Amino acid sequence: AQSVTQPDIHITVSEGASLELRCNYSYGATPYLFWYVQSPGQGLQLLLKYFSGDTLVQGIKGFEAEFKRSQSSFNLRKPSVHWSDAAEYFCAVDTGTASKLTFGTGTRLQVTL
Amino acid sequence: NAGVTQTPKFQVLKTGQSMTLQCAQDMNHEYMSWYRQDPGMGLRLIHYSVGAGITDQGEVPNGYNVSRSTTEDFPLRLLSAAPSQTSVYFCASRSLIGSGNTIYFGEGSWLTVV
Repeated sequence: AQSVTQPDIHITVSEGASLELRCNYSYGATPYLFWYVQSPGQGLQLLLKYFSGDTLVQGIKGFEAEFKRSQSSFNLRKPSVHWSDAAEYFCAVDTGTASKLTFGTGTRLQVTL
Repeated sequence: NAGVTQTPKFQVLKTGQSMTLQCAQDMNHEYMSWYRQDPGMGLRLIHYSVGAGITDQGEVPNGYNVSRSTTEDFPLRLLSAAPSQTSVYFCASRSLIGSGNTIYFGEGSWLTVV
């Protein structure tokens, strides 16, 4: 069965600093990969997704993620964080079957001014 | 566009009470699902459906029932609520045409069982 690991439960960065959120997955083949963001009291919003092709994918709000097959990773990055980016971020893996969207446990991002 | 609509947004139940969380989508998606979100656990799949009349269990199905009589609706029933079912519940849908389609989430239902 596939699994997703987000090793950082909580990250604090200063506004304007760069950000990298880690995501590692376990699956025998190349899965479909997603990053979602959840603001407090809200639902989940898709930031970006990777299916195939270029391993560096661009998303909304200035986020990007890079798929590295050799490391089974799909880390999320942003060059300069804004205070409004404070939220919880979830990495998810989809193996292509209807029922198998598996989420990581999330990383809560705090942004200091 | 309504997308995925969940009701109610907030609910407090007493142990042993029953209730139904409603979910409707207007995107003609074949696939619908229910997740629960608990601190430090991420989202865990409760039940899912790939079409009207077809449902199946996810990772944490115990204590929950579902049915899918129409493409649009996928209600989640708690027959006898327990404090362990205090959680945030998300309904989601996606198209099954093609591969790796985006899954769309409702805004969540906050349930407290006392």
